Amino acid sequence: DTAVSQTPKYLVTQMGNDKSIKCEQNLGHDTMYWYKQDSKKFLKIMFSYNNKELIINETVPNRFSPKSPDKAHLNLHINSLELGDSAVYFCASSETTGGDIQYFGAGTRLSVL
Amino acid sequence: RKEVEQDPGPFNVPEGATVAFNCTYSNSASQSFFWYRQDCRKEPKLLMSVYSSGNEDGRFTAQLNRASQYISLLIRDSKLSDSATYLCVVNGWGDKIIFGKGTRLHILP
Repeated sequence: DTAVSQTPKYLVTQMGNDKSIKCEQNLGHDTMYWYKQDSKKFLKIMFSYNNKELIINETVPNRFSPKSPDKAHLNLHINSLELGDSAVYFCASSETTGGDIQYFGAGTRLSVL
Repeated sequence: RKEVEQDPGPFNVPEGATVAFNCTYSNSASQSFFWYRQDCRKEPKLLMSVYSSGNEDGRFTAQLNRASQYISLLIRDSKLSDSATYLCVVNGWGDKIIFGKGTRLHILP
């Protein structure tokens, strides 16, 4: 049973399209995250939700909209995709906020053509 | 000073050797420290938490130096399977967890 699962694993799309990535965790954790890892491999936090409430929103373009229908799910919708959005997007969860261990999904490799 | 800083490497080390990495952090109020490992095209996974008193897990030893604001990771008797990128993780301002850019390690046969 995968603890943090995200779909799809690969996403290839044209500039200007809108796409969504889904994430689910079965660990009973309160906090979920979205990270972006670019071609230079730098892992940068985008959003963090605690019990469906947004707690961290880094300087991410408002084309990116996270949605947490319940604490086990955190989806990421991206509007008007740009070439620079090409990256690996990781979902993660932790028991609570702050200094807890994070468990990552396998990543979604997004390529914008 | 950057929030979390690591030497990107790569460190090319012969099998069986001992290798050590450091990671410096800027927030003196940080309380949580971790080392994660990321294999090529995979997700990061926790290697070990770093405790104030230092801790050891098999061939791996982690240390925290609060005075100089750095954590370290020592790998003894390195194996080919230790080749990976090692990410230093520190909790920053407002409970935010910050990942370093990682140190690449290549173990050479």
